[in-house]
Amino acid sequence: DGGITQSPKYLFRKEGQNVTLSCEQNLNHDAMYWYRQDPGQGLRLIYYSQIVNDFQKGDIAEGYSVSREKKESFPLTVTSAQKNPTAFYLCASSTAYGYTFGSGTRLTVV
Amino acid sequence: GQQLNQSPQSMFIQEGEDVSMNCTSSSIFNTWLWYKQEPGEGPVLLIALYKAGELTSNGRLTAQFGITRKDSFLNISASIPSDVGIYFCAGRFQKLVFGTGTRLLVSP
Repeated sequence: DGGITQSPKYLFRKEGQNVTLSCEQNLNHDAMYWYRQDPGQGLRLIYYSQIVNDFQKGDIAEGYSVSREKKESFPLTVTSAQKNPTAFYLCASSTAYGYTFGSGTRLTVV
Repeated sequence: GQQLNQSPQSMFIQEGEDVSMNCTSSSIFNTWLWYKQEPGEGPVLLIALYKAGELTSNGRLTAQFGITRKDSFLNISASIPSDVGIYFCAGRFQKLVFGTGTRLLVSP
């Protein structure tokens, strides 16, 4: 079955460390996205990529970085510059007709 | 970043009741999407609407794309306990913008 796989499901990070969240899709979608979700809030766009080797900042890109070296992969790095990284992170891919989401990664800073 | 105004924020209803929630925006969209999210999971698409005035059903769910292209509603009829979750609207023009969510609790 086609879908989006995010890993790990839970991630703990010490302050000052960078961590990378994985997102892989086998839907053959060109566009991929990273969203952040905080309790009681909607989804906020971090970065998106319309094609391989190209990506754009979303609304809250500071403290994050991405790469898109392959169509099926769009990893997100949460850097030490992100002041409040504890959140639920969702990856998505899309066609013109809709978005498909992964099951998310919950990142906690300890 | 832009977010849609979604209401109500939360609802606590009895099993069997009907539910209605809506989203409004100051911007027009060419697609409206409704998602359901369960705890610890990603949102799952319920209904997609692609033109103004469109009314679409998916089982007990019905959604409409407003004529002005600035609003949409979702109705759930005869609610059941497994309807519990957070429902998000999303509007798409050049990129997808999400509402703040409606948390639905259903009492048996």
